[in-house]
Amino acid sequence: QQQVKQSPQSLIVQKGGISIINCAYENTAFDYFPWYQQFPGKGPALLIAIRPDVSEKKEGRFTISFNKSAKQFSLHIMDSQPGDSATYFCAASTLSGFQKLVFGTGTRLLVSP
Amino acid sequence: AAGVIQSPRHLIKEKRETATLKCYPIPRHDTVYWYQQGPGQDPQFLISFYEKMQSDKGSIPDRFSAQQFSDYHSELNMSSLELGDSALYFCASSSGRNDISYEQYFGPGTRLTVT
Repeated sequence: QQQVKQSPQSLIVQKGGISIINCAYENTAFDYFPWYQQFPGKGPALLIAIRPDVSEKKEGRFTISFNKSAKQFSLHIMDSQPGDSATYFCAASTLSGFQKLVFGTGTRLLVSP
Repeated sequence: AAGVIQSPRHLIKEKRETATLKCYPIPRHDTVYWYQQGPGQDPQFLISFYEKMQSDKGSIPDRFSAQQFSDYHSELNMSSLELGDSALYFCASSSGRNDISYEQYFGPGTRLTVT
């Protein structure tokens, strides 16, 4: 059973467009939600993360929107560039103790030139 | 900035052989996590260590064991390898000594192929 559901599975966006990836979770104990970017054959790289006490966090072209009541969060990539083409994983964890990350199934993003 | 180091980067083993994967965390990081990622899959948590003690355990087969040493590096030992163990194995590290203890930084991974 996938604890974190991610959609879409793949996404094609024109250069300069906005990429939007959505995630939903069930476990209300989760209180830390990072996004990772992964290129083929490489390790996941931490992009941006949010805690449920805020509804939005922005870092450069990347924004996380968080809806605690709906148990959903999303990643927005503004002005998408071909170099953003990668697989993106949302994840969730609890901050009590040193807890494992539970990942979504991933979204393969292709930004066309 | 120093990152997580994993060795070897690639490993080819035959069925029923053993393998040892090594992870060197970011300096001053005291927590290590191991994840397994199959082709086209999301990373799955295996096991973690904090201050050389096992802190959490996921879907790690009994054939696998791991430990963290006094210098905080960790080793994942895999025995009686099966074809299904072929995957990317990632190590991640985090620091428990400040407010940003929950950020996990991943290494480049070890690609294990079992033939």
